[in-house]
Amino acid sequence: AQSVTQLGSHVSVSEGALVLLRCNYSSSVPPYLFWYVQYPNQGLQLLLKYTSAATLVKGINGFEAEFKKSETSFHLTKPSAHMSDAAEYFCAVSALATGNQFYFGTGTSLTVIP
Amino acid sequence: KAGVTQTPRYLIKTRGQQVTLSCSPISGHRSVSWYQQTPGQGLQFLFEYFSETQRNKGNFPGRFSGRQFSNSRSEMNVSTLELGDSALYLCASSLALGDPYGYTFGSGTRLTVV
Repeated sequence: AQSVTQLGSHVSVSEGALVLLRCNYSSSVPPYLFWYVQYPNQGLQLLLKYTSAATLVKGINGFEAEFKKSETSFHLTKPSAHMSDAAEYFCAVSALATGNQFYFGTGTSLTVIP
Repeated sequence: KAGVTQTPRYLIKTRGQQVTLSCSPISGHRSVSWYQQTPGQGLQFLFEYFSETQRNKGNFPGRFSGRQFSNSRSEMNVSTLELGDSALYLCASSLALGDPYGYTFGSGTRLTVV
């Protein structure tokens, strides 16, 4: 079975500061890992994905995440926060062996303080 | 190319009624999945369709059903609506079952049950 835990339901950072959103996963088989962003009243937009290639994954809008198997983590980072980054962020795990159903974390709401 | 289209965007229904939501996937995408998003429960998987067949189902009562047509468009139906069914219903499409590249989500249908 797969599951995802996002530490911190709310994170606040100052504009220009480092963004770090935490995600730990549990999977009995090699996982695929994803970060999605959701703006108010919108669907989810894919930020980046790990599919067993490079462990450091670069996504859109300057975000990146590193897959660390030993820590079962897939934390999302961005060196410098921008006001437009304020949104809800979801980490998700799926596994081909289990039919590709996505399991989402509970989300982290990011606030950027000017 | 056009994204995932969900109609309608907003819907208000009365308890006991039924509702049908529609999802048109990205052209060429054959897998369609449905998720319910609520503040309390987060994102919960409803079901996934591929080639007009339900391939995977979440833990929802039988009042929730769906189908997929030969052109990959999908509908979900909720019968005997309850207040707790108020949620954002998200549809996502992908190229195929077991697609490791992630979903593309629609903007969702906001269902309010009164």
